[in-house]
Amino acid sequence: QKEVEQDPGPLSVPEGAIVSLNCTYSNSAFQYFMWYRQYSRKGPELLMYTYSSGNKEDGRFTAQVDKSSKYISLFIRDSQPSDSATYLCAMRGGGADGLTFGKGTHLIIQP
Amino acid sequence: GAVVSQHPSWVICKSGTSVKIECRSLDFQATTMFWYRQFPKQSLMLMATSNEGSKATYEQGVEKDKFLINHASLTLSTLTVTSAHPEDSSFYICSASGGGGRGSGEAFFGQGTRLTVV
Repeated sequence: QKEVEQDPGPLSVPEGAIVSLNCTYSNSAFQYFMWYRQYSRKGPELLMYTYSSGNKEDGRFTAQVDKSSKYISLFIRDSQPSDSATYLCAMRGGGADGLTFGKGTHLIIQP
Repeated sequence: GAVVSQHPSWVICKSGTSVKIECRSLDFQATTMFWYRQFPKQSLMLMATSNEGSKATYEQGVEKDKFLINHASLTLSTLTVTSAHPEDSSFYICSASGGGGRGSGEAFFGQGTRLTVV
């Protein structure tokens, strides 16, 4: 079993819809959880950063972490065509650990 | 967010030559820098972790003599791919994390370097 599982998609939704992306993980030592957006041939761009369990909201984006279920989610409200990209979840333990990434979900927002 | 600059954004080199990739944190001190590799339609795979002034820690299966990492200052880390071969062609991405203040805890990524070895 991989440490981080993420459905690669593609996930296609109409403009304006609410998008739900999620990842599951197996390593209970993970404490920091991140969502990145990556456009083709570009480096990942940090969208959301969460420590431990709970919700965090930033504009149209909401990140949720449920450590008891080892499950994290990213919600995008009022989705726009410009949101079309690959979304990667990433997580790490404490200290200076490198990130463990999910495979990334390819999201397509249809105009 | 914090700014991490990676250079060059793309490079083509001949088989057997060496290529150096630079990663700079522009507005914070990066106590730790990470180097990742990403193949097409794959996720990022951590290659090595470097702390300023210390030897890099390589992930299992990554040849330290082939991928030389130097983290000589709090704002600069370099990855040198030595004696490059076509199978080294990939997208290499660095990320930087600070120990305090801006960039603390979070990891910010450079733009990536697409290496093609011919």
